Amino acid sequence: SAVISQKPSRDICQRGTSLTIQCQVDSQVTMMFWYRQQPGQSLTLIATANQGSEATYESGFVIDKFPISRPNLTFSTLTVSNMSPEDSSIYLCSGHMYTEAFFGQGTRLTVV
Amino acid sequence: QQQVKQSPQSLIVQKGGISIINCAYENTAFDYFPWYQQFPGKGPALLIAIRPDVSEKKEGRFTISFNKSAKQFSLHIMDSQPGDSATYFCAASIESGNTPLVFGKGTRLSVIA
Repeated sequence: SAVISQKPSRDICQRGTSLTIQCQVDSQVTMMFWYRQQPGQSLTLIATANQGSEATYESGFVIDKFPISRPNLTFSTLTVSNMSPEDSSIYLCSGHMYTEAFFGQGTRLTVV
Repeated sequence: QQQVKQSPQSLIVQKGGISIINCAYENTAFDYFPWYQQFPGKGPALLIAIRPDVSEKKEGRFTISFNKSAKQFSLHIMDSQPGDSATYFCAASIESGNTPLVFGKGTRLSVIA
């Protein structure tokens, strides 16, 4: 199994600013994924982050808004840029080890 | 297009009863079917998973039943306890290729005493 440490756990941000969310995995994982989850809802995939290449974004998500870094096999960041209240949500990172997916605790973001 | 359909949306079960959550998938290329449990304020945690070469997998009080021909799988929680109250997500993926999980919409389970 793998343990994923995600920070910050929560933040309240002003609109127009940016927030970078960090995920640290205690083991090397090939693939990392970033999700958004509205309270009480399912997980929506934002992008897939592979080490050494640009992230692949899902429909409705763009790199300028959600830039992702994946400098090595144990770390990734997601930045939520130029935030608006519509970006208020829970953001989750996930790492795959073999077939199993492990999740961070999530970052609860509130944009005011 | 929702590739994994989950039901019910919410479920209330008496303590000691059986909780049953169902999922159906569309993509026949899926070959890995996990269930995740999520408590408020926490990330989803892997509960149990099955591959299509078996029809049932049991781990403690949790059992997955899998019907490949019907493209359906279900989670059974035996002797449900108040501590099982959480949101449960089924998911599916293509094991080879490191593809992301496709999640169902989730089931909020409440186990009452």
